[in-house]
Amino acid sequence: ETGVTQTPRHLVMGMTNKKSLKCEQHLGHNAMYWYKQSAKKPLELMFVYSLEERVENNSVPSRFSPECPNSSHLFLHLHTLQPEDSALYLCASSPVTQSYEQYFGPGTRLTVT
Amino acid sequence: GENVEQHPSTLSVQEGDSAVIKCTYSDSASNYFPWYKQELGKRPQLIIDIRSNVGEKKDQRIAVTLNKTAKHFSLHITETQPEDSAVYFCAATFDTGRRALTFGSGTRLQVQP
Repeated sequence: ETGVTQTPRHLVMGMTNKKSLKCEQHLGHNAMYWYKQSAKKPLELMFVYSLEERVENNSVPSRFSPECPNSSHLFLHLHTLQPEDSALYLCASSPVTQSYEQYFGPGTRLTVT
Repeated sequence: GENVEQHPSTLSVQEGDSAVIKCTYSDSASNYFPWYKQELGKRPQLIIDIRSNVGEKKDQRIAVTLNKTAKHFSLHITETQPEDSAVYFCAATFDTGRRALTFGSGTRLQVQP
């Protein structure tokens, strides 16, 4: 699969578990984003990384911890989540300098039990 | 704060009819307005966008209009087809530096055959 990939595609975890979501982009983009998509807030921006530096943390609880080791990879580390954190987590990337357009990954469907 | 409002939340049309979705934004500095289509179980995909120096843009059956004075923009789909059925999101950038999008709440379009 080309473009923006995410793994795993589905994840079920208990409230005491620790897990990580992975995003990888093969487009040479310089900015990457995490979004949460749920019925209550369809596309909610969580984190923005531009040139590997976190430039925004949108009042996200500390149980979500992002990591961007390089411009192609983005992680979202999860620990002690709540059932209300169950949602589709979408990663996106953007070329930043050339275009405003964001390219989305397929998402990870997270269920917290 | 930053806000994008989208209406209607659901829209049902007969095949062949036109569909119009409207969005308003709060920050007069916004300068990029994309529209994304998300089919069931799939990622959001860009279908058309417009920049603030343009009033209208058209691509085959879809068009977007922008009224900067009134701070609203609209998506127009003509000759609708069943495959147009999806959730449509409008978005706007409020800070060209971070290139992060603020999304509307989405419109579920159902095209009846």
